Amino acid sequence: GIQVEQSPPDLILQEGANSTLRCNFSDSVNNLQWFHQNPWGQLINLFYIPSGTKQNGRLSATTVATERYSLLYISSSQTTDSGVYFCAVERVDSNYQLIWGAGTKLIIKP
Amino acid sequence: NAGVMQNPRHLVRRRGQEARLRCSPMKGHSHVYWYRQLPEEGLKFMVYLQKENIIDESGMPKERFSAEFPKEGPSILRIQQVVRGDSAAYFCASSPLTNNEQFFGPGTRLTVL
Repeated sequence: GIQVEQSPPDLILQEGANSTLRCNFSDSVNNLQWFHQNPWGQLINLFYIPSGTKQNGRLSATTVATERYSLLYISSSQTTDSGVYFCAVERVDSNYQLIWGAGTKLIIKP
Repeated sequence: NAGVMQNPRHLVRRRGQEARLRCSPMKGHSHVYWYRQLPEEGLKFMVYLQKENIIDESGMPKERFSAEFPKEGPSILRIQQVVRGDSAAYFCASSPLTNNEQFFGPGTRLTVL
């Protein structure tokens, strides 16, 4: 089945720093979503991005479907950005089932 | 405009008891998905339902687990005769008819003693 790999697995930054999180997937996908799981466990939708680039405040994402990767950019990090960032892809042969990466654990220090 | 609702948020059961987890999708959403998350891992798909129909339950264990989404009321994930290995966070998501962007509830954290 399709493999979803996220890197780095862990990232510790000072407040104000920028970061880039990567998601590679092993096969063609219909769609890709980025989520933030906060320290309380809640999953927050960040981007629904099958291709191209989207921006939302300090966050932006780019998916290059032909090369099978997506990047999540976080600028001017704040402590509230801490948590785990997941990417999840929708298989081409299953237009609903999300396959999840293992996540990038981000800690922002004040 | 309420999001996806799940209850209870925390559930403690002893081995052999039954666990019932409830999920109310976002208003206007007719597709419901259940996922399980073990500590330090991503989510694993369990089942996909539409009203009164199970579309795909390929991720759900064949025994002790069942799910439904009745015409009226919330979707229910039922785990019979729970074992310690069932301890996990169970998330429900819903999506609209127009696309498959999934929105998640706060999860139910099941602990089996």
